[in-house]
Order: sequence, then C-alpha cells, then structure tokens
Amino acid sequence: DSGVTQTPKHLITATGQRVTLRCSPRSGDLSVYWYQQSLDQGLQFLIQYYNGEERAKGNILERFSAQQFPDLHSELNLSSLELGDSALYFCASSVGGGGGDQFFGPGTRLTVL
Amino acid sequence: EDQVTQSPEALRLQEGESSSLNCSYTVSGLRGLFWYRQDPGKGPEFLFTLYSAGEEKEKERLKATLTKKESFLHITAPKPEDSATYLCAVQAVGGSQGNLIFGKGTKLSVKP
Repeated sequence: DSGVTQTPKHLITATGQRVTLRCSPRSGDLSVYWYQQSLDQGLQFLIQYYNGEERAKGNILERFSAQQFPDLHSELNLSSLELGDSALYFCASSVGGGGGDQFFGPGTRLTVL
Repeated sequence: EDQVTQSPEALRLQEGESSSLNCSYTVSGLRGLFWYRQDPGKGPEFLFTLYSAGEEKEKERLKATLTKKESFLHITAPKPEDSATYLCAVQAVGGSQGNLIFGKGTKLSVKP
C-alpha cells in the first residue's frame, strides 16, 4: 500500500459525459501527478500540482482539467468523453515539487461506452 | 525528443533462472532514472531511483545499475511472485518538472 488513495476504482459512462476522479496523496506529500495508461500508449504524464498550484503540464487534452485543493487532495475532470478516453488513470504523489520518487495510487479504470 | 525503450517486451524464466532487463534512454540531461513494478490492474510500485552513472541499488533479488545510456534490472534466482511488468522511467533536466517519461515495460513471467 503506497498511501495514495483514488476513488472510484471503476467508472463506466457514456460518450459525451463528464466525470471526476479523486486522489488523496500520501501524508506529507505536496505534489500530485496524474497519468493515463492505455494499452497502446503506456503511461503518459498529464499534469502536476504542487501545493495547490499547477507545476507542470504534459499531453493533457483541453477537455481534461485538474485542481488541487487546500487539503492537498486533487481532482481530475474529464469532459465530453470519447471512446478513446477509456484507460486507467493513476494519481501519484511526492514530497517535493521537482519530481523525485513518485508513489502511485491504485488507479481508476474508466470505460466509455 | 526524450525517449525510453525497454527490452525485451516479454521474458519468460524458470524459477531460479537469473536474467536482466534493459532500459535505454535518450534525454538531454538525466535528473533521475526510476524502476517500478506493476501487477495487472494495479498501480506501479516504486522500486529504485538512480541518479548517476555507476550507481547501483539492491532490494531482495533485484539489483538496478545505471550507465550513461542505459539501466539494467538484474533479477537473481527469481521466484514466481516476481512475475509482473517492470517499468523504467526517466526524469529529464529542463523538462516539465516532475514529468516521468515511461518505457512500455517488460512483462516478466517466472514459472515454477
């Protein structure tokens, strides 16, 4: 158990819908990272927040957004969902803002029908 | 472009048969190289971080080494419970802070 929690574990929805994924980092970690894992692309970095502020952005679609709240939990919002958005979404956390050792949560499996 | 390539894609070993997994990388500057283990449907589990060429780290039957162009994960006398996908990732100097660039992994199967 890494200490990072994610909810829900599974999410099934329809195209065009909007969903919110939630992540709580390990105690003491200030950074939260979001990754997408699909069969053909592997693990892809989406976005990082550090102590409430956006720190880095990867290949995140404009339909996706994230935020980190004062209690340091983070939410990833996915809207106008397409079939291709079906994937595992992982959250990771680390102590600092410069990367370093990242600890991953169990993931949310999103299925778009 | 920063890139990570892992080989082989899949590896089948008999219990006790030692082997190595390879991770080659191309980055403008290496801040760190990371090894993770991932079981099906679960999140990656952190194993090691290596920062400079010549560095080595060990954990049970696993030993990670780093050169200027690649890293090896040596598995000594593996057991069936070592079966998993092993992921390598790099963090580049000057890139998006915190951005880990992952390889596609090596799927290891250890048969009793």
